[in-house]
Amino acid sequence: SQKIEQNSEALNIQEGKTATLTCNYTNYSPAYLQWYRQDPGRGPVFLLLIRENEKEKRKERLKVTFDTTLKQSLFHITASQPADSATYLCALGASGGGADGLTFGKGTHLIIQP
Amino acid sequence: GAGVSQSPSNKVTEKGKDVELRCDPISGHTALYWYRQRLGQGLEFLIYFQGNSAPDKSGLPSDRFSAERTGESVSTLTIQRTQQEDSAVYLCASSLEPSMREQYFGPGTRLTVT
Repeated sequence: SQKIEQNSEALNIQEGKTATLTCNYTNYSPAYLQWYRQDPGRGPVFLLLIRENEKEKRKERLKVTFDTTLKQSLFHITASQPADSATYLCALGASGGGADGLTFGKGTHLIIQP
Repeated sequence: GAGVSQSPSNKVTEKGKDVELRCDPISGHTALYWYRQRLGQGLEFLIYFQGNSAPDKSGLPSDRFSAERTGESVSTLTIQRTQQEDSAVYLCASSLEPSMREQYFGPGTRLTVT
């Protein structure tokens, strides 16, 4: 069965450093991958999408890589700030979109310490 | 413009009672999703609506769960004869169309079954 793995333990990073979160998957060939941010008591917020034929995507201080050979995506936040503290969810998507289009990981809790 | 809204924000109910949760998607969004998120867990897909097509109910955990959507507007998720294991946050998301793939989430309804 499909499996998405994200670090279950909280990741503590010092302010100003680069935070790197990992998303590994098995038994899946996603057409695209998304990253979402979720704050306590709130719904997830979309951050970035990267397609299977793309290696890297950037948006301001965020960078996502997608290695379909390793079946892994890395999510980087450069010059991290305490406001970046949140849970980050990885989601894999099938080519058809719709109901079977998005499967979420459990998320990694990121803590940026001042 | 307004985002996805959900009501109520919190619901406490007794085991065996029925509950109805409401989702107002972003105007013009044809795709609507319901997810369940148990404490410390990832998002679990429940049901998907796309336009006037028959909904994909493949994620509903039991026949106690049902959902309706009126056209491309409001959706209600109904849980009959609630059980304690139904306690979770129920999240609704909408997207402009499935192929856009970016989902906009509401704040969720926290359901507690006592």
